[in-house]
Amino acid sequence: AQTVTQSQPEMSVQEAETVTLSCTYDTSESNYYLFWYKQPPSRQMILVIRQEAYKQQNATENRFSVNFQKAAKSFSLKISDSQLGDTAMYFCAFMKQFGNEKLTFGTGTRLTIIP
Amino acid sequence: ETGVTQSPTHLIKTRGQQVTLRCSSQSGHNTVSWYQQALGQGPQFIFQYYREEENGRGNFPPRFSGLQFPNYSSELNVNALELDDSALYLCASSLRSQTSYEQYFGPGTRLTVT
Repeated sequence: AQTVTQSQPEMSVQEAETVTLSCTYDTSESNYYLFWYKQPPSRQMILVIRQEAYKQQNATENRFSVNFQKAAKSFSLKISDSQLGDTAMYFCAFMKQFGNEKLTFGTGTRLTIIP
Repeated sequence: ETGVTQSPTHLIKTRGQQVTLRCSSQSGHNTVSWYQQALGQGPQFIFQYYREEENGRGNFPPRFSGLQFPNYSSELNVNALELDDSALYLCASSLRSQTSYEQYFGPGTRLTVT
């Protein structure tokens, strides 16, 4: 079974600053995907960024980037030039590459961007 | 907006009752997954349907059941409601293929059991 751990229940940062959210996971699988989802107060879970485990290059989507360390089973999210709209719960999630597309989520980090 | 819709938005039920939640998947998607998100927690996988067949189940009792219809929309049914069933129920649709694996979530149904 897979587990995902997010050790930072809450974080806050000033607008325009950079923040890094941590995530570690445990699995015996070799092929898998990792995701960061954002859940604003509206409740809709929005995909922020994804990483295929077989890719060594870290994924980047505009202001969002990840630091994927496969050997350490670490998958952190960096948000650059943070904006007020980034305020939300952020969930790290794991999915095996083969098999049903079950997502295993961490407990989340509540991020607040301070004006 | 992901194109995934859920109804109703909110629901209040009494312990012991039965409830049906509905999900319309994004156009072109053939797979629907259901998750339960308790307050302050991450979503927990309930089950998944692929082409109208159940394709994986999480650690939930049989009173949680589902259906997927030919148009790939889906229902989640919960019988004999318990207080602990109070949660946000999320559905997510995806297109199962060799190159596609991302799940797109609906806005959820908030279920309160009293």
